[in-house]
Amino acid sequence: DVKVTQSSRYLVKRTGEKVFLECVQDMDHENMFWYRQDPGLGLRLIYFSYDVKMKEKGDIPEGYSVSREKKERFSLILESASTNQTSMYLCASSLGGLAETQYFGPGTRLLVL
Amino acid sequence: DQQVKQNSPSLSVQEGRISILNCDYTNSMFDYFLWYKKYPAEGPTFLISISSIKDKNEDGRFTVFLNKSAKHLSLHIVPSQPGDSAVYFCAALIQGAQKLVFGQGTRLTINP
Repeated sequence: DVKVTQSSRYLVKRTGEKVFLECVQDMDHENMFWYRQDPGLGLRLIYFSYDVKMKEKGDIPEGYSVSREKKERFSLILESASTNQTSMYLCASSLGGLAETQYFGPGTRLLVL
Repeated sequence: DQQVKQNSPSLSVQEGRISILNCDYTNSMFDYFLWYKKYPAEGPTFLISISSIKDKNEDGRFTVFLNKSAKHLSLHIVPSQPGDSAVYFCAALIQGAQKLVFGQGTRLTINP
């Protein structure tokens, strides 16, 4: 059974703070993804990684960066948090190749004050 | 531009009846489609998928229909149960590209 865990369920941060969101998967998946979910907008891809130390921009990468130093861990970094980054952040992983199904973590609800 | 659209933000259905959730897409390159279900405070869970070489895929109470000429897919749930109350997202991708494109979601409420 695939398990994707995220380090925090809820976070409250202040504008300008550096924020780290951590994601770990335990199924040796090649691909990992970070999304944000906002009402009326669905899930939007921020960044993804198809291998260790590799990253690709998604649809809304501005204001974010990522790090993948180990296969099982994918971190999302908000260098200087802003109020418009208040959102639900979802991490996902997939096996790779043509295995398209992504498995999601429980999400982190971030509030930036 | 929204390449995958779910035009109904919400849908209310009586328990035992059929729920039909709709999704439209604009990119003709998409060749694989998925439906995810999301409960509050949880991540989305995979429900069912369909390849563009098929027009129907069934799994228990859930059936997905694909109309490529209309660039339209739908999810049928029959019979609907209270536990089906959730937000449903459709998603599309080009196989091998790994990037899913999601719709905005439809909140389904099943009334007893």
